[in-house]
Amino acid sequence: EAGVAQSPRYKIIEKRQSVAFWCNPISGHATLYWYQQILGQGPKLLIQFQNNGVVDDSQLPKDRFSAERLKGVDSTLKIQPAKLEDSAVYLCASSLRGLNNSPLHFGNGTRLTVT
Amino acid sequence: AQKVTQAQTEISVVEKEDVTLDCVYETRDTTYYLFWYKQPPSGELVFLIRRNSFDEQNEISGRYSWNFQKSTSSFNFTITASQVVDSAVYFCALSEAPAAGNKLTFGGGTRVLVKP
Repeated sequence: EAGVAQSPRYKIIEKRQSVAFWCNPISGHATLYWYQQILGQGPKLLIQFQNNGVVDDSQLPKDRFSAERLKGVDSTLKIQPAKLEDSAVYLCASSLRGLNNSPLHFGNGTRLTVT
Repeated sequence: AQKVTQAQTEISVVEKEDVTLDCVYETRDTTYYLFWYKQPPSGELVFLIRRNSFDEQNEISGRYSWNFQKSTSSFNFTITASQVVDSAVYFCALSEAPAAGNKLTFGGGTRVLVKP
């Protein structure tokens, strides 16, 4: 089966600019996650969708980050305006169900550098 | 609050040696799942193993084995007869009660370097 697709692979922007990341989950996976992984750290959950509804966005910096999953399939994550501390890899993951017996499948991530 | 600690930041071994990765977790829930993921240089997180809190039976899967001990809140992972391709960052992760969905809390990771 095709894996989780993410684009772009790399992105370099200046602070205060905006940027958007795209994710296409594995076909049939109802649950989609965005994680932020700062260099040298483990991934941290930003937002979780079940179909097109938000399950958890408690750790999403809502003053600058937004995410949507309009048709319950693809998702976009946006940062506006970006700060230097947003430099990280943004990982998208999907699972068949939002249950603990359903492993997450991760994409290759988008590496963002903010200068 | 849940927390996962991987005290080892980096481990270097020579090929064919065994390597054990430590993981200690904190949770208030009685129902939870523990995972190990591998992150090779390509960046993709690869699922390796999963264990639920009610099953403390330790298993072996190929060259991978794990030791789950609820009494010490530890979930250690061993690679037997390591190979160069095992070089990667390994993450231990925790997922709490089903009502929380399938959100993972990750440890800081342990970088494993296997030298030929």
